[in-house]
Amino acid sequence: AQSVTQLDSQVPVFEEAPVELRCNYSSSVSVYLFWYVQYPNQGLQLLLKYLSGSTLVKGINGFEAEFNKSQTSFHLRKPSVHISDTAEYFCAAVETGANNLFFGTGTRLTVIP
Amino acid sequence: NAGVMQNPRHLVRRRGQEARLRCSPMKGHSHVYWYRQLPEEGLKFMVYLQKENIIDESGMPKERFSAEFPKEGPSILRIQQVVRGDSAAYFCASSPPTEINYGYTFGSGTRLTVV
Repeated sequence: AQSVTQLDSQVPVFEEAPVELRCNYSSSVSVYLFWYVQYPNQGLQLLLKYLSGSTLVKGINGFEAEFNKSQTSFHLRKPSVHISDTAEYFCAAVETGANNLFFGTGTRLTVIP
Repeated sequence: NAGVMQNPRHLVRRRGQEARLRCSPMKGHSHVYWYRQLPEEGLKFMVYLQKENIIDESGMPKERFSAEFPKEGPSILRIQQVVRGDSAAYFCASSPPTEINYGYTFGSGTRLTVV
């Protein structure tokens, strides 16, 4: 069965510091992987996605993620965070050929001035 | 090109009433997905529709919930006889037929509160 695990429910970090939000998935078949950001009372905005090819994926707002097949991970990173990055971040996966995304429970990133 | 439009943004219903949530997909997108986000949780898949067809409703509760995507007009998620546990944010996503695995665009959601 497919599942997505986000290991940290909350991550506080000081402004301009680096951050890594962790995501692991489990699936018996190949998957596509996504990171979404949700600002308070808003919908989900796609940050980046991994479909195939290079394992390092660059997204919007300076974020990047690395697909690691052996560790079944897709961690999200940013070298220097801003106050405006404070939001909820969701990792998601869909098995190739399937219809629906499986979401992790989210990581609340709080950037401290 | 407008994004995925959901309305209303906020909906308050008393227990036992009906809730109707509407979703207009992006232009050119013929596939619609509904997800539910309970407080402090991630999104859970509910149903996947194409025009006039329900493709996958494996995430829909067996009773009181229904969805449609008619030939004309928006997709509708209907919840009959709402209960407090139905309070959640309901998100709609759409994709074009050639990118059903990875071309999702989400709407801003409808936040349903049952009082």
